[in-house]
Amino acid sequence: GAVVSQHPSRVICKSGTSVKIECRSLDFQATTMFWYRQFPKKSLMLMATSNEGSKATYEQGVEKDKFLINHASLTLSTLTVTSAHPEDSSFYICSAYPGLAGGLPPYEQYFGPGTRLTVT
Amino acid sequence: GQQVMQIPQYQHVQEGEDFTTYCNSSTTLSNIQWYKQRPGGHPVFLIQLVKSGEVKKQKRLTFQFGEAKKNSSLHITATQTTDVGTYFCAGRRYTGFQKLVFGTGTRLLVSP
Repeated sequence: GAVVSQHPSRVICKSGTSVKIECRSLDFQATTMFWYRQFPKKSLMLMATSNEGSKATYEQGVEKDKFLINHASLTLSTLTVTSAHPEDSSFYICSAYPGLAGGLPPYEQYFGPGTRLTVT
Repeated sequence: GQQVMQIPQYQHVQEGEDFTTYCNSSTTLSNIQWYKQRPGGHPVFLIQLVKSGEVKKQKRLTFQFGEAKKNSSLHITATQTTDVGTYFCAGRRYTGFQKLVFGTGTRLLVSP
């Protein structure tokens, strides 16, 4: 149990286009989802916290108009990178937090496999 | 803002040797978690420590939370090639608030 998927796993896009990344909790409901960005051989940097049905909370320095987050249901959150530039190339990882319901450990976050974005 | 540093950044050991990574937070933590990320993979939860001075063991892995709840360590006894990966600590400041701040990570390479 507690599987999180991301789609696509890899995407290459041209500069100026937009890319949508989906994060799904497959076998549990996620009250909160987190979006991270990871550069090669670096740590995970939290970009935003997404709660179902409400606006995402962005970390300092993250442009909310550039990284659009939608948490439409308890099992799906999307991150759209708008007007992508080469410097947006990175590994984007989501994690899902099940909360106190569902019988899962209440403190554990479950990570998706990540999406590698390359902007040319 | 809150910073979580880990040392060393990288360690290369021979199989059978021990390994330790240290995690230090600039602020007092409510709890701390440890994750392992294999090359090309995503972080996988290992453990959470909550209490001051807490020590937990998972087979060859020993996790410790400092008395001041600002530092933590992960010790691996008799490393194996399957231990290869990057180990991250992740701290949470406030009880009940789910945001994690990840440490800088320690990359472990184990040679047979």
